Amino acid sequence: SYELTQPPSVSVSPGQTASITCSGDKLGIKYACWYQQKPGQSPVLVIYQDSKRPSGIPERFSGSNSGNTATLTISGTQAMDEADYYCQAWDRSIVVFGGGTKLTVL
Amino acid sequence: EVQLVESGGGLVKPGGSLRLSCAGSGFTFSIYSMNWVRQAPGKGLEWVSHISSSSSTIYYADSVKGRFTISRDNAKNSLYLQMNSLRDEDTAVYYCARDNSFEYWGQGALVTVSS
Repeated sequence: SYELTQPPSVSVSPGQTASITCSGDKLGIKYACWYQQKPGQSPVLVIYQDSKRPSGIPERFSGSNSGNTATLTISGTQAMDEADYYCQAWDRSIVVFGGGTKLTVL
Repeated sequence: EVQLVESGGGLVKPGGSLRLSCAGSGFTFSIYSMNWVRQAPGKGLEWVSHISSSSSTIYYADSVKGRFTISRDNAKNSLYLQMNSLRDEDTAVYYCARDNSFEYWGQGALVTVSS
């Protein structure tokens, strides 16, 4: 079965750039999405189709996808960006989520 | 404003059944595919099932295939998940989410399977 692998945790200082990776076999030929989830809240879509931002998502969120790795980049990270982040892709008729990455802003 | 509101969660014994509902508003429900996603306590997201706008295409995760049934009623702007033969490991918050990019999510419904 298809798997997406994320680092369990990433730390970043306020104002710096955070990068969260998501690895999967030939992920670059699929579309990747990214979701942000804060404690006690529902997930929020922050990137779809590899690099597109939904309405209302700040420009500091960007995405890329090539080869076997998709990357979510948060530029000028703010304290409010501290959350769990999940990547997601479709593999034929199955939806796969990565295990999630806890982003700590310290 | 797009809204998705789940209902029907609760406590059920192993082997029991439960039916979740998701009411959509603020958008044309009938033209969007829908999904169910669950999250066990303290764990990550797990996709459960997908249904196309016309119900012509339905997919399930292997973990629920043969036990769960997804359906929708476009006239009532509603999505359903019939859950049978429930197991302890089905305990989770169940979210409904709109379209193939999961652009909008409901607030979730807690399902607890315990004796």
